[in-house]
Amino acid sequence: DSGVTQTPKHLITATGQRVTLRCSPRSGDLSVYWYQQSLDQGLQFLIQYYNGEERAKGNILERFSAQQFPDLHSELNLSSLELGDSALYFCASSVGRDNYGYTFGSGTRLTVV
Amino acid sequence: GQQVMQIPQYQHVQEGEDFTTYCNSSTTLSNIQWYKQRPGGHPVFLIQLVKSGEVKKQKRLTFQFGEAKKNSSLHITATQTTDVGTYFCAAPVGWGKLQFGAGTQVVVTP
Repeated sequence: DSGVTQTPKHLITATGQRVTLRCSPRSGDLSVYWYQQSLDQGLQFLIQYYNGEERAKGNILERFSAQQFPDLHSELNLSSLELGDSALYFCASSVGRDNYGYTFGSGTRLTVV
Repeated sequence: GQQVMQIPQYQHVQEGEDFTTYCNSSTTLSNIQWYKQRPGGHPVFLIQLVKSGEVKKQKRLTFQFGEAKKNSSLHITATQTTDVGTYFCAAPVGWGKLQFGAGTQVVVTP
C-alpha cells in the first residue's frame, strides 16, 4: 500500500458517458497530480493541484476536469467519453511544490466500450 | 519544449547479465528521477539525482547524472527476474510537474 488511494480500480462505461475518478493523497502530502497512461502514449501529465489550488496543467482535454477538496482528496471528471479515453489513470502525490519523489496510487483502469 | 528521451524502448536480458538504460534531455535539468513500474503495477519512485556527475547506488542498481545535467543512466548488474518491469526517468518541467520518458521495458529470460 503506497498510501495513495484511488477508486475505483476498474471502470467500464459506454461512449458518451461521464465518470468520476477519486484520489486520496498520502497523509501529509499537499500536491496531487493526475497522469494518463495508455499503451502508445506513456505517462502523460494531466493536471496538478497544490493545497486546493490548480498549479499546473498538461494536455488535458476540455472534456476532462478536476478539483481538489479542502480535505485534499481530488477527483478527476471525464465526460463525453470516447473509445480513445480508455487508459490507466494514475493519481500521485508529493509533499510540496518541488515535485520530489511522487507516490503513485494503484490507478483506475478505464475501459470505454 | 523540453523533451525527455529514453533508450532503448525494450531490453531483453539473460538472467545474470548487466544492462544499461539511458535518458537524455534537450535542456539542462535541475534534477532527474527514476521510477520502476512492475507489470500490472504502478510507478514506484526509486531515486532522485541532483548534482552534476552524481552517482548513486541501490544494491545492484547504479544511477548516474551526467556532467552537463542533460543525461542520466541506470545500470543494473547481474539482472534477476525481480528486475522485470518498465523503468522511467522523469524530469521537472516547471512548477510541480514531471515529464516522464517513454520508459525502458525490461524482460528477463531465466
